[in-house]
Amino acid sequence: GAGVSQSPSNKVTEKGKDVELRCDPISGHTALYWYRQSLGQGLEFLIYFQGNSAPDKSGLPSDRFSAERTGGSVSTLTIQRTQQEDSAVYLCASSLYDRVGEQYFGPGTRLTVT
Amino acid sequence: DQQVKQNSPSLSVQEGRISILNCDYTNSMFDYFLWYKKYPAEGPTFLISISSIKDKNEDGRFTVFLNKSAKHLSLHIVPSQPGDSAVYFCAAKREYSGAGSYQLTFGKGTKLSVIP
Repeated sequence: GAGVSQSPSNKVTEKGKDVELRCDPISGHTALYWYRQSLGQGLEFLIYFQGNSAPDKSGLPSDRFSAERTGGSVSTLTIQRTQQEDSAVYLCASSLYDRVGEQYFGPGTRLTVT
Repeated sequence: DQQVKQNSPSLSVQEGRISILNCDYTNSMFDYFLWYKKYPAEGPTFLISISSIKDKNEDGRFTVFLNKSAKHLSLHIVPSQPGDSAVYFCAAKREYSGAGSYQLTFGKGTKLSVIP
């Protein structure tokens, strides 16, 4: 069956440009999560969606980061005016509403800001 | 402020022997713990979990032990196989509803190498 997919798999961008990262969760999973993993670090929570609503945006590192989810499915993470410290692997996960402890992860998008 | 710590960045074990991966946490509000396995260029995959009402959970070759008083958990893999070579992440969350109950806090991971 189809798992969580993310696109692009790799993105190289120049400092100051905007980027959009896409996540397609598992069908039927109402909960969706974004994390990022910087080099040598663990996964850092960014934002959580339940349906199309994001009750907790506290993990977003700055106001350059935003995310939306439409139709209770696809989500887009947007980073404006990218900085070199934004370079990381951005991971998306989804889960059933009541199984938030068992999240299924996508392969991630490796973002490199030059 | 690292709330979940995996102090060993790497571990090498002979095939057939036991692998023990350790994890410590500092937040006493955590009461549900998980282990994820990650291969290169793939997302983490859920491996095993344990609730704070238990001190042990077993699934095939994988057993997780929880010591609440010490705020410590460990993952045992017996016997270890070369296919187990991966990065293992410990994660924690609050089980019940409320702020943070949906948020997993991860350690930095331990890279396990199982030598044939």
